[in-house]
Amino acid sequence: EPEVTQTPSHQVTQMGQEVILRCVPISNHLYFYWYRQILGQKVEFLVSFYNNEISEKSEIFDDQFSVERPDGSNFTLKIRSTKLEDSAMYFCASSSPITGTGKVNQPQHFGDGTRLSIL
Amino acid sequence: DAKTTQPTSMDCAEGRAANLPCNHSTISGNEYVYWYRQIHSQGPQYIIHGLKNNETNEMASLIITEDRKSSTLILPHATLRDTAVYYCIVSSFAGGTSYGKLTFGQGTILTVHP
Repeated sequence: EPEVTQTPSHQVTQMGQEVILRCVPISNHLYFYWYRQILGQKVEFLVSFYNNEISEKSEIFDDQFSVERPDGSNFTLKIRSTKLEDSAMYFCASSSPITGTGKVNQPQHFGDGTRLSIL
Repeated sequence: DAKTTQPTSMDCAEGRAANLPCNHSTISGNEYVYWYRQIHSQGPQYIIHGLKNNETNEMASLIITEDRKSSTLILPHATLRDTAVYYCIVSSFAGGTSYGKLTFGQGTILTVHP
């Protein structure tokens, strides 16, 4: 069964450094998402991406964050000038292609996440 | 904030059916009910979703009330590996002006006992 893969599984970075988290969505999916989960807290939506542009973002997703689909398979989340409070699990998700009606009601599938630790 | 209400925790004996309730009284006409679960700190795992009809797949059944204000996820024969946090989420589908973001609540901690 196709799956979303994320690398690395664990990333340790010094505060103030930049980090790039990588995701390979399911191959025929067109909608891509990033979520994060701070230890002991809820899973929070960060951003959705469709047709090579951000379609929706949360208040968390400020100028420190950016996303990119640099080629036909990867989807990346860049965090600049990392802070201690950026420590969290970051999950990538993707969902199905558009049906003939232009609407998608298929579920998002998640990767197993990258644990980001800022020191 | 999440638009669903779930019990904080539930217990179930192994081999028995686990019935997880969810209230979503403000659900709108174009919103689906999705169920995900999260085991330890793994990524959320999709279980099932539905609009207004009851749904069944190899993992579970979803029963949605006629007024769509509540639903129940049924795991027919719970095993120890079903111990997880279960999330009930309402969301419109991706497409058109909606991009289908999922808003997670705290979920229900289901513990399956031997």
